[in-house]
Amino acid sequence: EAQVTQNPRYLITVTGKKLTVTCSQNMNHEYMSWYRQDPGLGLRQIYYSMNVEVTDKGDVPEGYKVSRKEKRNFPLILESPSPNQTSLYFCASSFSGGSYEQYFGPGTRLTVT
Amino acid sequence: EDKVVQSPLSLVVHEGDTVTLNCSYEVTNFRSLLWYKQEKKAPTFLFMLTSSGIEKKSGRLSSILDKKELFSILNITATQTGDSAVYLCAVETYDSWGKLQFGAGTQVVVTP
Repeated sequence: EAQVTQNPRYLITVTGKKLTVTCSQNMNHEYMSWYRQDPGLGLRQIYYSMNVEVTDKGDVPEGYKVSRKEKRNFPLILESPSPNQTSLYFCASSFSGGSYEQYFGPGTRLTVT
Repeated sequence: EDKVVQSPLSLVVHEGDTVTLNCSYEVTNFRSLLWYKQEKKAPTFLFMLTSSGIEKKSGRLSSILDKKELFSILNITATQTGDSAVYLCAVETYDSWGKLQFGAGTQVVVTP
């Protein structure tokens, strides 16, 4: 089954404790992207990747890191999480770029206390 | 600064009504506009528009783009309770290929 998976689905952590949210797709997609969703703000792009080893900042990259060492994986790293990073996070992938249908993962709900 | 604005922010309609959602944008070097539907989970793709005046249609949903006036409309006819969702639009530009700017979304509630 074609899908984007994210882990964990739910996470409660404390300020400053490094964490990684994994994202994996099995559709051989070139493009992958991370978003955060907060009430009233829609989706905001954090980072995106057009291909392996190519990553670019979205609108809200501060406090996040990503890497794209393999085509199928695009982990999101929070080196020192803060309460303002409490949010719902989505990973997505598409054949090539934002103008193609994006397939979204199920979301990761992160709470930083 | 690039901007994508959706209106209205929310609306409540009765089953059978027609709904019209608006997405206006101010961006440099427009490439495409996309519509997504989000129920209580991840967004799902509806339409991608690049050319003015060409209607995209899928069942009771349709969408059209006006590149002169810089907006798109999403229409839902004969609404059903299953149409209740947040509808999101997003814009990509040629200057920042791969970077997507989303609007805040329109919450649609369809009552029986």
